[in-house]
Amino acid sequence: GDSVTQMEGPVTLSEEAFLTINCTYTATGYPSLFWYVQYPGEGLQLLLKATKADDKGSNKGFEATYRKETTSFHLEKGSVQVSDSAVYFCALRGTQGGSEKLVFGKGTKLTVNP
Amino acid sequence: GAGVSQSPSNKVTEKGKDVELRCDPISGHTALYWYRQRLGQGLEFLIYFQGNSAPDKSGLPSDRFSAERTGESVSTLTIQRTQQEDSAVYLCASSLVGTGFRYGYTFGSGTRLTVV
Repeated sequence: GDSVTQMEGPVTLSEEAFLTINCTYTATGYPSLFWYVQYPGEGLQLLLKATKADDKGSNKGFEATYRKETTSFHLEKGSVQVSDSAVYFCALRGTQGGSEKLVFGKGTKLTVNP
Repeated sequence: GAGVSQSPSNKVTEKGKDVELRCDPISGHTALYWYRQRLGQGLEFLIYFQGNSAPDKSGLPSDRFSAERTGESVSTLTIQRTQQEDSAVYLCASSLVGTGFRYGYTFGSGTRLTVV
């Protein structure tokens, strides 16, 4: 079945550092890919998405490119802020069957120190 | 409503009791999903509703778990004879059917269930 693997955390960075959180997937067909973010004490929010190969999703300075050849959707940000401290989840929506469910990775906790 | 609303936000129950968790999706959203998030873990899919029917209930962990949806609106997740391993945050999400792949889903803030 479909699955998502993302780098284990926690990740601790200093403010203005470069961030990469790796995400790879296994799926048949052409899934849609998402990054969700969960800030402390809040619900899950959609951060960015890509629905086809070579698409780049971007939001709030974060970017991720849908790479079908490497089945990856790595999240990057050039300069992180303390306010980016959160748990980040990579997810896919597969094309199998009639279910529209999202399959999530286990999450990566990011802490940014001033 | 403006967002996905879940109630209660917190629930503490004794082992062996039944609990009901409620989800009010965004008005007009025909697709509804339940997920479970155990402490320090990712999200586990439980069940998907399309309208009032559930074409995918493959994630329900045991027959103690059931869910229903009425009026293509409110959904209730029921856990019977709760066990300590049921302690988790239960998340509900909604979307328009057929658009989730393009726009993602909107999640509620969750119900934190603690079984003591």
